[in-house]
Amino acid sequence: EVQLVQSGAEVKKPGEPLKISCKGSGYFFNSYWIGWVRQMPGKGLEWMGTIYPGDSDTKYRPSFQGHVTISVDKSINTAYLQWSSLKASDTAMYYCAKLGSYLPFSWGQGTLVTVSS
Amino acid sequence: QSALTQPASVSGSPGQSITISCTGTSSDVGDYNYVSWYQQHPGKAPKLMIYDVSSRPSGISSRFSGSKSGNTASLTISGLQAEDAADYYCCSYTTSTTPPVVFGGGTKLTVL
Repeated sequence: EVQLVQSGAEVKKPGEPLKISCKGSGYFFNSYWIGWVRQMPGKGLEWMGTIYPGDSDTKYRPSFQGHVTISVDKSINTAYLQWSSLKASDTAMYYCAKLGSYLPFSWGQGTLVTVSS
Repeated sequence: QSALTQPASVSGSPGQSITISCTGTSSDVGDYNYVSWYQQHPGKAPKLMIYDVSSRPSGISSRFSGSKSGNTASLTISGLQAEDAADYYCCSYTTSTTPPVVFGGGTKLTVL
């Protein structure tokens, strides 16, 4: 069974760094793109970017480029989403997803990030 | 503004059928058979209901079906049940953005 297990909820202050994780199991992790999706409170799904674990090829949606970093450690089947300096507007639920036929096929349970002073 | 256009809300009574539309362009829905639909209940992660326009993953009820005509994809739910009340999102492969994935704005389904 394919599973994506994300790290737990985080409460941070503006300006602090953060790295959240997504661990895949039940499939060959290196061979499927992983995507990250943002859902702000009460809003829809926004595609942030994708990474191919096999070679770490990474693609960002322009609106997120430069503000987040997507990375992977294929030795432990884990993808990451990180911020060097959080803003209050980063408060959202973040989902990782395994892609199939180019689109999300399996989803993680989500990581709630709250940024507040 | 979302690249794929969905109605904000639809509603139906138990047992009825409803259809949710998802309108794109020839850069996405119109030219590629990579359209997925996701169901999201409050506080839960999205769940794949339809992929590749009309295929159902294992375990998804046959009451859910997908189709496409021109630049518009559709999700039909037949025999509406109370537990179908949720938000539904369409998603398509696209050549107009990087990465090549675009979501619709979401549709809230109310079961009366």
